[in-house]
Amino acid sequence: NAGVTQTPKFQVLKTGQSMTLQCAQDMNHEYMSWYRQDPGMGLRLIHYSVGAGITDQGEVPNGYNVSRSTTEDFPLRLLSAAPSQTSVYFCASSYSGQGALETQYFGPGTRLLVL
Amino acid sequence: DAKTTQPNSMESNEEEPVHLPCNHSTISGTDYIHWYRQLPSQGPEYVIHGLTSNVNNRMASLAIAEDRKSSTLILHRATLRDAAVYYCVFQGAQKLVFGQGTRLTINP
Repeated sequence: NAGVTQTPKFQVLKTGQSMTLQCAQDMNHEYMSWYRQDPGMGLRLIHYSVGAGITDQGEVPNGYNVSRSTTEDFPLRLLSAAPSQTSVYFCASSYSGQGALETQYFGPGTRLLVL
Repeated sequence: DAKTTQPNSMESNEEEPVHLPCNHSTISGTDYIHWYRQLPSQGPEYVIHGLTSNVNNRMASLAIAEDRKSSTLILHRATLRDAAVYYCVFQGAQKLVFGQGTRLTINP
């Protein structure tokens, strides 16, 4: 199993540009989520999904869109990039989003720099 | 929303036990407590989680106070590989809320 994969590893954008961060998992996990981590800070939840076709907002959803058309993929779209979105973005997945969240498997992260 | 409070940093010696504290005084009765750790330039790694009772696994133990307002992650015998940032995380509904984390340094 490849686990959770994220592409690209690093990206530089100009203010106002849009882009999609890709996240895929091959473990047949129902629950997937996106976090951002600013320097020296903990992770903050952006959006999450408990299954294909179902998404919901986390702590910091503004400026980001998600969709979940398949179990495997959970892309994160930046609509109009701003310098405040410079961060490291992590995708995570787990078997189920019911009850106690199962072990979250995190991807390696995408480093995004917005100029 | 419930939040967690952790010391910014802690230091310990190799092969000694380490107790990492976390305060979560506003936690609700149904919120689970999770612990994750993060090595430099990597995504977080699951350590342990619990609700009310103390929990043990091969990596660590989790001691939860009777009033659930605090918990302690216990590494029984620290190694150099345990040096990382440790996050106390509470689970509200289907969301994980990370604290600021404790940077653990292990001295040889």
